[in-house]
Amino acid sequence: ILNVEQSPQSLHVQEGDSTNFTCSFPSSNFYALHWYRWETAKSPEALFVMTLNGDEKKKGRISATLNTKEGYSYLYIKGSQPEDSATYLCAFRGGSNYKLTFGKGTLLTVNP
Amino acid sequence: GAGVSQSPSNKVTEKGKDVELRCDPISGHTALYWYRQSLGQGLEFLIYFQGNSAPDKSGLPSDRFSAERTGGSVSTLTIQRTQQEDSAVYLCASSLGGFNTEAFFGQGTRLTVV
Repeated sequence: ILNVEQSPQSLHVQEGDSTNFTCSFPSSNFYALHWYRWETAKSPEALFVMTLNGDEKKKGRISATLNTKEGYSYLYIKGSQPEDSATYLCAFRGGSNYKLTFGKGTLLTVNP
Repeated sequence: GAGVSQSPSNKVTEKGKDVELRCDPISGHTALYWYRQSLGQGLEFLIYFQGNSAPDKSGLPSDRFSAERTGGSVSTLTIQRTQQEDSAVYLCASSLGGFNTEAFFGQGTRLTVV
């Protein structure tokens, strides 16, 4: 059984704060680590697909880093806005299996 | 279509009835996934299709669950003799099929078994 853990489970920040959360995953047989944002009443939307150790990706105010040797990824949001409020999911793809194993997500609430 | 389409968006059914959930993936996407999210839980993998075949159906919780995909496109997930614990949001996703490709999700079907 693959364990993909995310922390914290939920987070409340004020508008303008920067924040980050963690995804931990098995460090063996790594193929890819995905980040998704899931807003209420919408579909999960892909943010990043990361494959290389040390990789860092950025999309606007959101960035992510990857450490495959120790099995963790960080997602950073700079200057949080209320529209960033969502559940952020990470998903691990390992071995020769096409299955994406998801963590339970971090629920971010940004207060205006 | 432009995105992954699922129908119905909501389904309320009586315990013991069969239900069928439909997924229309993005045209050209060879990989198709079914996941579900029960209350308070994370996204639980059910089954993966590559084309019309299902190389990984390890997540189907019981033999009451089955899925098929025809023409490398539309997929249906069938739940027979529904139980209350089947209540969940069922999500479908599709991708181009490579290891590094992102998955595109539909908006899900909220199934309530009463």
